[in-house]
Amino acid sequence: EDKVVQSPLSLVVHEGDTVTLNCSYEVTNFRSLLWYKQEKKAPTFLFMLTSSGIEKKSGRLSSILDKKELFSILNITATQTGDSAVYLCAVIMNYGGSQGNLIFGKGTKLSVKP
Amino acid sequence: EAQVTQNPRYLITVTGKKLTVTCSQNMNHEYMSWYRQDPGLGLRQIYYSMNVEVTDKGDVPEGYKVSRKEKRNFPLILESPSPNQTSLYFCASSPYPGWDQPQHFGDGTRLSIL
Repeated sequence: EDKVVQSPLSLVVHEGDTVTLNCSYEVTNFRSLLWYKQEKKAPTFLFMLTSSGIEKKSGRLSSILDKKELFSILNITATQTGDSAVYLCAVIMNYGGSQGNLIFGKGTKLSVKP
Repeated sequence: EAQVTQNPRYLITVTGKKLTVTCSQNMNHEYMSWYRQDPGLGLRQIYYSMNVEVTDKGDVPEGYKVSRKEKRNFPLILESPSPNQTSLYFCASSPYPGWDQPQHFGDGTRLSIL
């Protein structure tokens, strides 16, 4: 069965800390992996990763994909209270995958204390 | 402004009373999808559509119907709602998945079935 597993499920840090969120996957017909940030309402897009070893960066956030070991990490440096959110990992499969086209992990809830 | 619009945002109703949640996007996207989000279970795909008149089941389709008669609209229909369908629902859209573009989410619809 296709699945996406995120760890840890929750994390509490202090402002200024660096955090690493993990996403591992086992899917048929992998196409790409996405990271989203969800605060009070709809998920907002962070990164899409398709190729191994190429780091994507946006400010203090960065992410990388390892297609051999089937995982991705999301790094946040110098965390701020505004980074508090649920971070979602999702895998897009090529059309015809057994569970529809896209599977989400259960998310990592990050709480950043002042 | 590019957006995905869901209506209603909130609904409380009773078991067995048919309801429809509408979803409309103004980005000319081919792909549209419905998800439900439940505590501890994350986002799960209900149905998705690759284009007009093309729909397919996601991970949890039981108790739901969809239609895609026009490119911009993708309504979610609950013919006979039950309390286990109480959840937060998201509609999302993207260009054809083969173009590796992320999904844009609506703001969500919170349904309570009594």
